Amino acid sequence: QQQVKQSPQSLIVQKGGISIINCAYENTAFDYFPWYQQFPGKGPALLIAIRPDVSEKKEGRFTISFNKSAKQFSLHIMDSQPGDSATYFCAARRGRGSTLGRLYFGRGTQLTVWP
Amino acid sequence: DAGVTQSPTHLIKTRGQQVTLRCSPKSGHDTVSWYQQALGQGPQFIFQYYEEEERQRGNFPDRFSGHQFPNYSSELNVNALLLGDSALYLCASSFMGQVHGATQYFGPGTRLLVL
Repeated sequence: QQQVKQSPQSLIVQKGGISIINCAYENTAFDYFPWYQQFPGKGPALLIAIRPDVSEKKEGRFTISFNKSAKQFSLHIMDSQPGDSATYFCAARRGRGSTLGRLYFGRGTQLTVWP
Repeated sequence: DAGVTQSPTHLIKTRGQQVTLRCSPKSGHDTVSWYQQALGQGPQFIFQYYEEEERQRGNFPDRFSGHQFPNYSSELNVNALLLGDSALYLCASSFMGQVHGATQYFGPGTRLLVL
C-alpha cells in the first residue's frame, strides 16, 4: 500500500515556467514532509521540507504548499531552469511511535525543463 | 565535511550469492537508515540502526540484515540474492538528538545488479 501518492509521473515544462508536483497522504500521524531531488546516478538530496503547522514554506524558487484538511501538499518550482531537470520525490514521516524516523516516499516525478 | 559515503559504487553478483554494502555517515550523525530503490520507483525503507541496534524494520525478508559499528558506520548484508534484489541501495544518516526529529541525508548509493 502506497502511503504517499505522487503525481504526475512525468512533467515537461518550458524554461521560465512553473513546475507543480502534487502529493497526497492518508496517515494523519505524519508530521514532517520533505521533498528530495535526485539526478541520474546520484542519491536523493533534500530540497525543502515542511511541518503541518504552516501552510506554505518558500526557499528561493522552491515553495511547498500544505493543505492539512485535504491531506495534500505540493512543490512549486518558479522560473524553472534546465538545471532543475531531475526526479523529485515527496516523502512523509511519522512524528511518534515505532516508525519514528522512517521516510515513506512517493513514486517520483521526472521533470524535464526545455530551454 | 565528506557527507555520507557508500562503497562500492557498483556491484555485480549472481543469484544465490551474498553481498555486503558499506556506509559511513555524515560527520556528527549517529543513525543510519538503509533504503532500496528499484528502477523508476521511490526509495523503500529497509531498516534503521542507532546505538548499534536495529531500531526499525520495513517489509523486507530476513535475508536482509545489517550492522552498525561503534564509529556509527554501517553494513547492509543480503544473503541468497534474487534477481529482484537488483536495485540502488541508499544509505541515509541523521542525528537522533535533532529537535523535531532527524533530517536524513542520503549517500550516492550502491548499484547492485544480480544476474
